[in-house]
Amino acid sequence: SQTIHQWPATLVQPVGSPLSLECTVEGTSNPNLYWYRQAAGRGLQLLFYSVGIGQISSEVPQNLSASRPQDRQFILSSKKLLLSDSGFYLCAWAPGRGMLYGYTFGSGTRLTVV
Amino acid sequence: SQKIEQNSEALNIQEGKTATLTCNYTNYSPAYLQWYRQDPGRGPVFLLLIRENEKEKRKERLKVTFDTTLKQSLFHITASQPADSATYLCALEGGGSQGNLIFGKGTKLSVKP
Repeated sequence: SQTIHQWPATLVQPVGSPLSLECTVEGTSNPNLYWYRQAAGRGLQLLFYSVGIGQISSEVPQNLSASRPQDRQFILSSKKLLLSDSGFYLCAWAPGRGMLYGYTFGSGTRLTVV
Repeated sequence: SQKIEQNSEALNIQEGKTATLTCNYTNYSPAYLQWYRQDPGRGPVFLLLIRENEKEKRKERLKVTFDTTLKQSLFHITASQPADSATYLCALEGGGSQGNLIFGKGTKLSVKP
């Protein structure tokens, strides 16, 4: 069966520090991968998606970046965090044609920038 | 661009009653619409998908309808239980070649015993 792992679960980082969140998927190949952010009182916002190794599309311009160094690994990064980067970050995967199937989400990372 | 409105931030009902949640979209009609459940501090969990040519979809106590004329989906939980308390999210394709999902802000359902 397919599983998705996301870590860390919680993170407190000072403003200006770097960020690296990792997500891995097991039990499937060539998944579509997604990073979403959920800020307090707001809906899920799509940040990045990837349909293959090295293929990254950005939905929202910001100081975050994403990379997909391996088929089932998706990394969210920042060189310098801002206070506004605080939120609940969720990784998700779906089969190639994602709209035909539901997304499977990880357990999320609660990021607090102080 | 596509916009989703879940017009109730919170819904409180009594155990045993039917909960009805509403999802409206404002632009083109999507080929698919999905519903998710999210518990506090957890990622959303996929519940149901309904296609534009399907009027209704059922799964156990859940029922989803899709009205492309009204640009609306209704999500029903019959014989609701306190364990059904959670936030329910509507999602549909936001456009673009990949058909990525965009989500509504959700409706927080509280079922009182």
